[in-house]
Amino acid sequence: DQQVKQNSPSLSVQEGRISILNCDYTNSMFDYFLWYKKYPAEGPTFLISISSIKDKNEDGRFTVFLNKSAKHLSLHIVPSQPGDSAVYFCAASARGTYKYIFGTGTRLKVLA
Amino acid sequence: SQTIHQWPATLVQPVGSPLSLECTVEGTSNPNLYWYRQAAGRGLQLLFYSVGIGQISSEVPQNLSASRPQDRQFILSSKKLLLSDSGFYLCAWSVDRGHTEAFFGQGTRLTVV
Repeated sequence: DQQVKQNSPSLSVQEGRISILNCDYTNSMFDYFLWYKKYPAEGPTFLISISSIKDKNEDGRFTVFLNKSAKHLSLHIVPSQPGDSAVYFCAASARGTYKYIFGTGTRLKVLA
Repeated sequence: SQTIHQWPATLVQPVGSPLSLECTVEGTSNPNLYWYRQAAGRGLQLLFYSVGIGQISSEVPQNLSASRPQDRQFILSSKKLLLSDSGFYLCAWSVDRGHTEAFFGQGTRLTVV
């Protein structure tokens, strides 16, 4: 049972344009959501998070949007840079569970 | 500042051999600790997590076990490896409060041959 889903395995975007990565979840108990970036043969690095009491959180070029009614979140990267090319994972957590459930990842390629 | 150490970086083991991967965290006390696995073409699968010494929760029944002998040490073990145990194993930690991010180690690439 995949509780966190990233239905696009890959995405290609031109440098300078916006990258939009999507994530859907099924568990209504999730109330904290995170995005991570991962390079090959390295551990994921934390990018940005959002609590369910918000619908938007922004940090520099990265913005996460949360639509609770649709159980959907997205990560916007603007402008996209070649160094953003990596696999992006979304993750979710429910209060009191101490667990982070990850999606399957989306490979982003930013073309110069 | 906090750091997480995970070793070895790569490991090639024959089928049926034992496994021990170690993870330690520095600069924090009573962290929550996690073992994840990334198999080829799949996401990050939570294997085990621990909220304290000796407290281990298993997420997926399989050929692996975990132990937490000290506050900041987390060990992933197997008595007999299977081919299907191959993958990229990641240790992570988070602070023991509310909603915060988890921090990952550099991972161990395990190949069972």
